[in-house]
Amino acid sequence: QSVLTQPPSVSGAPGQRVTISCTGSNSNIGAGFDVHWYQQLPGTVPKLLIYGNSNRPSGVPDRFSGSKSGTSTSLAITGLQAEDEADYYCQSYDNDLSAWVFGGGTKLTVL
Amino acid sequence: QVQLVESGGGLVKPGESLRLSCAASGFTFSDYYMTWIRQAPGGGLEWLSYISNIGNTMYYADSVKGRFTISRDNVKNLLFLQMNSLRAEDTAVYYCATATYSSGYYAGYWGQGTLVAVSS
Repeated sequence: QSVLTQPPSVSGAPGQRVTISCTGSNSNIGAGFDVHWYQQLPGTVPKLLIYGNSNRPSGVPDRFSGSKSGTSTSLAITGLQAEDEADYYCQSYDNDLSAWVFGGGTKLTVL
Repeated sequence: QVQLVESGGGLVKPGESLRLSCAASGFTFSDYYMTWIRQAPGGGLEWLSYISNIGNTMYYADSVKGRFTISRDNVKNLLFLQMNSLRAEDTAVYYCATATYSSGYYAGYWGQGTLVAVSS
């Protein structure tokens, strides 16, 4: 059972917009800790996608965006492409656990 | 460019020990906090531990506290994870990563991972 809750799977057709939610609590996201997102393409190492709720590292397309509200955050992907098919994980810090916490991951399928 | 290369994984029996290493290059290692994260086969990501840039502060997940020890050598640009009393549930790919602060830390650069399998 992950501290951060993500939907197990989402899907969309090429060109569409999809969102992946990440819900926490008042001891992590709601306490003001930033949320970060990672993309793991099939058979590869996780890669930082979004840091500090909404910032993209150099090289990440602006089709990827993050937002935060209260105890929830979302990753949005616009103009969906076949190469976006991957697992996506959110991550934050939990004050009660004194630990980094991850969501369980969301598998994005491009139809 | 930033490079992190893990080594030391392998097959061990329950109760045995293993020491993972992570060789860092392409950045000023002593400026960065570092972290270990693992991923069980077919599973999600699990944070294990992180260490401050000068190695004087360490934090652990409850699942490994008392069994795993993180350390670093800033002269040789190496990060370590000493794993004792290994269990079957410790079977996973172990990644080292840089840890950068943004109201909480995140893993910026990742190594390719090293597989640890615990089985009798």
